[in-house]
Amino acid sequence: NAGVTQTPKFQVLKTGQSMTLQCAQDMNHNSMYWYRQDPGMGLRLIYYSASEGTTDKGEVPNGYNVSRLNKREFSLRLESAAPSQTSVYFCALRASLPGNTIYFGEGSWLTVV
Amino acid sequence: KNQVEQSPQSLIILEGKNCTLQCNYTVSPFSNLRWYKQDTGRGPVSLTIMTFSENTKSNGRYTATLDADTKQSSLHITASQLSDSASYICVVSPMYSGGGADGLTFGKGTHLIIQP
Repeated sequence: NAGVTQTPKFQVLKTGQSMTLQCAQDMNHNSMYWYRQDPGMGLRLIYYSASEGTTDKGEVPNGYNVSRLNKREFSLRLESAAPSQTSVYFCALRASLPGNTIYFGEGSWLTVV
Repeated sequence: KNQVEQSPQSLIILEGKNCTLQCNYTVSPFSNLRWYKQDTGRGPVSLTIMTFSENTKSNGRYTATLDADTKQSSLHITASQLSDSASYICVVSPMYSGGGADGLTFGKGTHLIIQP
């Protein structure tokens, strides 16, 4: 997981609070992703960024916003947290070479009460 | 809708034994298929990646096979070790994603437990 740094590692929020999950890479790749992982659901794409300044919605974007202000950082914001957003969040990036390997961060455990 | 189905959902084997995990997909045409290992509390880590033209790929005691005709892949673990206890995730990439989101389709994973 070297090269993809997520913060915070753990967070507890009250319903309605806002927060931002930060992701930074030191691998100089263009494509970055935010996924959530829930028991029995597998990884689901929230948002995707093909390059600096561009973002696209994934499978489950509702309730989230993202920002890709530079190549290195891709942040995920919850404007008004809901219990349904309790999950583990993973930032990832895709290398161009070799083989388009996808590198994941260590994850951020978010609980909304 | 593209789907990736993994079996079994969970598996318990004794240390030193071999095992095989299965992945069936409907993504077509597909570009590549990846296997990831996810330790508890950690992010997934890449084990192998195979393009549609490859039949097998090894990474130490891990060997992945691919049959593009039947849309099936397997991950074989030889001489299992306690450190192999993890979830194993199959991920398939379509040839043409559209929409700019790459179209990666994730399986729900197989939870493997190695007992001493």
